[in-house]
Amino acid sequence: EPEVTQTPSHQVTQMGQEVILRCVPISNHLYFYWYRQILGQKVEFLVSFYNNEISEKSEIFDDQFSVERPDGSNFTLKIRSTKLEDSAMYFCASTYTEVNYGYTFGSGTRLTVV
Amino acid sequence: AQTVTQSQPEMSVQEAETVTLSCTYDTSESDYYLFWYKQPPSRQMILVIRQEAYKQQNATENRFSVNFQKAAKSFSLKISDSQLGDAAMYFCAYRRQYNNNDMRFGAGTRLTVKP
Repeated sequence: EPEVTQTPSHQVTQMGQEVILRCVPISNHLYFYWYRQILGQKVEFLVSFYNNEISEKSEIFDDQFSVERPDGSNFTLKIRSTKLEDSAMYFCASTYTEVNYGYTFGSGTRLTVV
Repeated sequence: AQTVTQSQPEMSVQEAETVTLSCTYDTSESDYYLFWYKQPPSRQMILVIRQEAYKQQNATENRFSVNFQKAAKSFSLKISDSQLGDAAMYFCAYRRQYNNNDMRFGAGTRLTVKP
């Protein structure tokens, strides 16, 4: 069964450093998403991406965050200057259509900012 | 804004028994989708079941079924014949229909299955 692949599975970074979280969505999917989950808390929407542009973003997704789909397969989330409160599990998700499908989630990247 | 509420932070069930997880949501939309996701200790988010709001018939997937009450904005998940592998966090989620909008999640219910 097709999977959404995320790398790395765990990343530790110093506060203030830039990090790039990588995702390879399912190949025929058209809509892409990033979510985060702070330990013990709910899954929160960050951003949705369609047709090579951001279609919606939450208030969490401030100027420190950016997304890119540089080569038609990878979908990246960049955090420019990490803060301690960015420590969380980051999930990439994709779906083929905006209609009734649930998203396929990746297995997540655990980001630890020290 | 759409909100999803799961009022049971934790639930437990005896193996082979049945358990029901509650979910309510708030929306002014008439067309939308509802989902239950399972998050085992591996932290991966796995789709368990989905329900289209325009369908009156409750969705079922093997041992998993929902009780969808549109007027009450309620969407509970019933797990029959519970198995040890069902132990996980369960998240209820809402998504509008004609929009590639974000999916909104509840806070989750941690299900423990006792042998």
